[in-house]
Amino acid sequence: LAKTTQPISMDSYEGQEVNITCSHNNIATNDYITWYQQFPSQGPRFIIQGYKTKVTNEVASLFIPADRKSSTLSLPRVSLSDTAVYYCLVGAGTGRRALTFGSGTRLQVQP
Amino acid sequence: DGGITQSPKYLFRKEGQNVTLSCEQNLNHDAMYWYRQDPGQGLRLIYYSQIVNDFQKGDIAEGYSVSREKKESFPLTVTSAQKNPTAFYLCASSTNRGPSYEQYFGPGTRLTVT
Repeated sequence: LAKTTQPISMDSYEGQEVNITCSHNNIATNDYITWYQQFPSQGPRFIIQGYKTKVTNEVASLFIPADRKSSTLSLPRVSLSDTAVYYCLVGAGTGRRALTFGSGTRLQVQP
Repeated sequence: DGGITQSPKYLFRKEGQNVTLSCEQNLNHDAMYWYRQDPGQGLRLIYYSQIVNDFQKGDIAEGYSVSREKKESFPLTVTSAQKNPTAFYLCASSTNRGPSYEQYFGPGTRLTVT
């Protein structure tokens, strides 16, 4: 499974757009990129997944450049409730499906 | 409601005792997983099972054991051989079909061993 690197922490204010970038230089051809959100003392929650270009859902957007060696999770107009840890993971759609979580990015949203 | 349940939410044990953590899902998922999380850290995989009656060790399986006798259930036993068992334990499940990595997590069990 490819290793990922993301910032340890980020700060933002309510109403701002937050972009969290993840580096995954060793991503394999059949790997997908997945982002999870975790609140304290809760299990992680799936946010978004993509393979290339751009994916958007009701919560976030995921931007993946052509070389796929990085990806950016974009959270539009964050609120205090978006304060959480965000994990970037990469993995293939076959074989071992268990996820490898790094330490994630701790996002703190202030009023 | 479909989902994953873990019980109990908090568990206290004396050192040297085995303890079993419960995980049940009614999502009809084939795959189930156990993760451990220490304060300020990411999740680490203990065991996973992609089908009933089959399971594989994850990255930190030593001192743990599992069984998968039913599709819905994947209990984890923390044995006395686990040197530092105090942690937050998370169970998850997912489909085995397609490329999706969407895992559904339970609420977790916080185990304290003294």
